[in-house]
Amino acid sequence: ELKVEQNPLFLSMQEGKNYTIYCNYSTTSDRLYWYRQDPGKSLESLFVLLSNGAVKQEGRLMASLDTKARLSTLHITAAVHDLSATYFCADWPPSFGAGTTVTVRA
Amino acid sequence: NAGVTQTPKFRVLKTGQSMTLLCAQDMNHEYMYWYRQDPGMGLRLIHYSVGEGTTAKGEVPDGYNVSRLKKQNFLLGLESAAPSQTSVYFCASSRLRDRGGNSPLHFGNGTRLTVT
Repeated sequence: ELKVEQNPLFLSMQEGKNYTIYCNYSTTSDRLYWYRQDPGKSLESLFVLLSNGAVKQEGRLMASLDTKARLSTLHITAAVHDLSATYFCADWPPSFGAGTTVTVRA
Repeated sequence: NAGVTQTPKFRVLKTGQSMTLLCAQDMNHEYMYWYRQDPGMGLRLIHYSVGEGTTAKGEVPDGYNVSRLKKQNFLLGLESAAPSQTSVYFCASSRLRDRGGNSPLHFGNGTRLTVT
């Protein structure tokens, strides 16, 4: 039973367009984390969402959390090539989704 | 400040051999974790520890043992390696959940293990 589900699992983005990654979780966690992993590398923390309605933004990435719907979204604005990576969401205690592999093409 | 350090980086084992993966963190974190990452399956928690001398099972603990004799170190052991244990292993650490609120995981660079 997957406690954290991400979709889509693969996302081919066109430069300059907007996209959203969805993260559904089945636990009662009140916080949600987003991580980024570049190919062959480790994971680095992007966002920590600590409460219902929390919104965090950095650069072209914006994450939000709806604890009632058990849903978090990662929105990418005007995609650029250096956003190509795999993005993971995780709840608490840390259970990870399968990841969304993002490829940005010209 | 090294963060989380894993050794070794690469290892090839034959079926039935044993080995220990070492994870060391210098951030004084209470929690430590071992994950394995396989293509298309994200990260799966093997074992974790909430403090020195304590360990607990995660999602996929079979075939692995762990020890946390010192706060800064978390060891993952494979007693009799099997090809199904071929994977990339990540160690991570974090602060106690209730201190500072943040507590994201800090990851090591991973150990790529192949069992033939």
